[in-house]
Amino acid sequence: GAVVSQHPSRVICKSGTSVKIECRSLDFQATTMFWYRQFPKKSLMLMATSNEGSKATYEQGVEKDKFLINHASLTLSTLTVTSAHPEDSSFYICSAPRGVNTNTEAFFGQGTRLTVV
Amino acid sequence: GESVGLHLPTLSVQEGDNSIINCAYSNSASDYFIWYKQESGKGPQFIIDIRSNMDKRQGQRVTVLLNKTVKHLSLQIAATQPGDSAVYFCAENQSGTSYGKLTFGQGTILTVHP
Repeated sequence: GAVVSQHPSRVICKSGTSVKIECRSLDFQATTMFWYRQFPKKSLMLMATSNEGSKATYEQGVEKDKFLINHASLTLSTLTVTSAHPEDSSFYICSAPRGVNTNTEAFFGQGTRLTVV
Repeated sequence: GESVGLHLPTLSVQEGDNSIINCAYSNSASDYFIWYKQESGKGPQFIIDIRSNMDKRQGQRVTVLLNKTVKHLSLQIAATQPGDSAVYFCAENQSGTSYGKLTFGQGTILTVHP
């Protein structure tokens, strides 16, 4: 079964509104989680590293005020797309690593299809 | 059938054939590599991984080969089945970065015809 759960799987919102996406590790604690963005027929691009109890680390070119990340507990990270616009429409995927050092495996959520109209 | 990820992003094979999907990586500091399968509308699913101290690893119907000299990774799928149709991504983790922080390759679309 899934070890990382992402919700919602699909969301349609109006331009100018904000959307929150949740990523939960189901049977393990994750001090770090990762958020990726994927355009149609393209690869996954890392957006940011979510750190429990501290600020997220954003990749170059990713607007931190547009994509708010909160990692308030060891099993939950949220990504909020603020003041969404049609160009924010994309597939957003989270991952959480489980394990220790070289025995770590990254588990991915099911993804969230965001459509901004 | 064989593909080169950067130049031939699609691979079509007949059921029962062996498939080879290739990936070139650029970061010589990467020491951990993973192959993922992604079906339409879903998140990536782990297939097999390999560390830089190895050059080959086998799983069930899948084999990953790593050539560090030319920074090349391949995924071999034996007796390909229609259920193997998906997009396949290689991913790398750079030594010294957070475990689980991955850089993904371009991806190859595998289509298996019955």
